[in-house]
Amino acid sequence: EAQVTQNPRYLITVTGKKLTVTCSQNMNHEYMSWYRQDPGLGLRQIYYSMNVEVTDKGDVPEGYKVSRKEKRNFPLILESPSPNQTSLYFCASRQGRRGVGYEQYFGPGTRLTVT
Amino acid sequence: GIQVEQSPPDLILQEGANSTLRCNFSDSVNNLQWFHQNPWGQLINLFYIPSGTKQNGRLSATTVATERYSLLYISSSQTTDSGVYFCTAGGTSYGKLTFGQGTILTVHP
Repeated sequence: EAQVTQNPRYLITVTGKKLTVTCSQNMNHEYMSWYRQDPGLGLRQIYYSMNVEVTDKGDVPEGYKVSRKEKRNFPLILESPSPNQTSLYFCASRQGRRGVGYEQYFGPGTRLTVT
Repeated sequence: GIQVEQSPPDLILQEGANSTLRCNFSDSVNNLQWFHQNPWGQLINLFYIPSGTKQNGRLSATTVATERYSLLYISSSQTTDSGVYFCTAGGTSYGKLTFGQGTILTVHP
């Protein structure tokens, strides 16, 4: 089954404790990205990757890091989480070519709480 | 970047009613998708529809790209249709989707 998976689905952590949210897709998609969803602000893009070893900032990259060492995986790293990073996070993927439209597929979401 | 506006922001229906949700976007797009966010927070793909018309059961969607809008039709609504409906659009930039603010649909039995 074609899918995007994320782990963990739920996480409660404390300020400053490094964490990684994993994202994996089995569709051989070139393009992957991370979004966060907050009440009143909707979904906003954090980072995206056009292919292996190619990443770039989205609209709200502060406090996050990403890496793309393999095509299928795109982990989101919070090196020193803060309470304002409490949010619902989504990973997404699609086939990639600039200027060409392709359907995007979203993971099930990771609900993160930072205390 | 592309601006996406959805209307109405809230919609309350009785089971069995029909509804139309609208999405306006500010620029040419090569990606237009409708999602349903269920009570558990999951984003469910409804339609990938940068242009034209598609139907899937009680749901259908139409995008008129030249006039920069898309419509989502829900017929014979059911309580399980409740949730938030998002329209998302992407242009020539690499893959980024801009989300509208969503329409909160509540269907009462």
